Amino acid sequence: AQKITQTQPGMFVQEKEAVTLDCTYDTSDPSYGLFWYKQPSSGEMIFLIYQGSYDQQNATEGRYSLNFQKARKSANLVISASQLGDSAMYFCAMRVGGGGTASKLTFGTGTRLQVTL
Amino acid sequence: GAVVSQHPSRVICKSGTSVKIECRSLDFQATTMFWYRQFPKKSLMLMATSNEGSKATYEQGVEKDKFLINHASLTLSTLTVTSAHPEDSSFYICSADRDRGDTQYFGPGTRLTVL
Repeated sequence: AQKITQTQPGMFVQEKEAVTLDCTYDTSDPSYGLFWYKQPSSGEMIFLIYQGSYDQQNATEGRYSLNFQKARKSANLVISASQLGDSAMYFCAMRVGGGGTASKLTFGTGTRLQVTL
Repeated sequence: GAVVSQHPSRVICKSGTSVKIECRSLDFQATTMFWYRQFPKKSLMLMATSNEGSKATYEQGVEKDKFLINHASLTLSTLTVTSAHPEDSSFYICSADRDRGDTQYFGPGTRLTVL
């Protein structure tokens, strides 16, 4: 069975600072993908970043980067230069299976990030 | 980027009525769509996988006769909550896979309130 663990129910960060949101995962399948989504108060799930298990380099998308440590089974999200608009719920998710295979996502419990002035 | 729409965004209905929620992929074809349910301050719980042209696959504990799913085309999946009761009140959100498999795009969600 697959499992995603987010141990930080809430985090605070000051504007313009960087913040790391933790995510660990568990799967026995060698092929998997890791996702981070942002969910603001409106409820919409906004895709942020993706890391494949065979990707050699850590994924980056603008101010978002994924610190992928395969041996430790961790996929932490780093947000640089935090902005007030980054305040939201953040979910880590995992899918098992090769690329091109539509398979369900398993979500963590989420981390609520609050950016302060 | 890919866009997935949902309709309606909010619905309030009386107990015992049925409610249909539509999920559309707007700029890509999706052979597979997913339906999730989210309770306040909780994570997303997968309800079922909707497959175009075939029956949906339901997760354990989800009543298939209560939550009817139809995936009639490559761009549309519908979830019908039949004989809704107050405990069905929740946030329902769909997602769709592009064939590349590296991203799953979510709709904006539907907030259902059953009185």
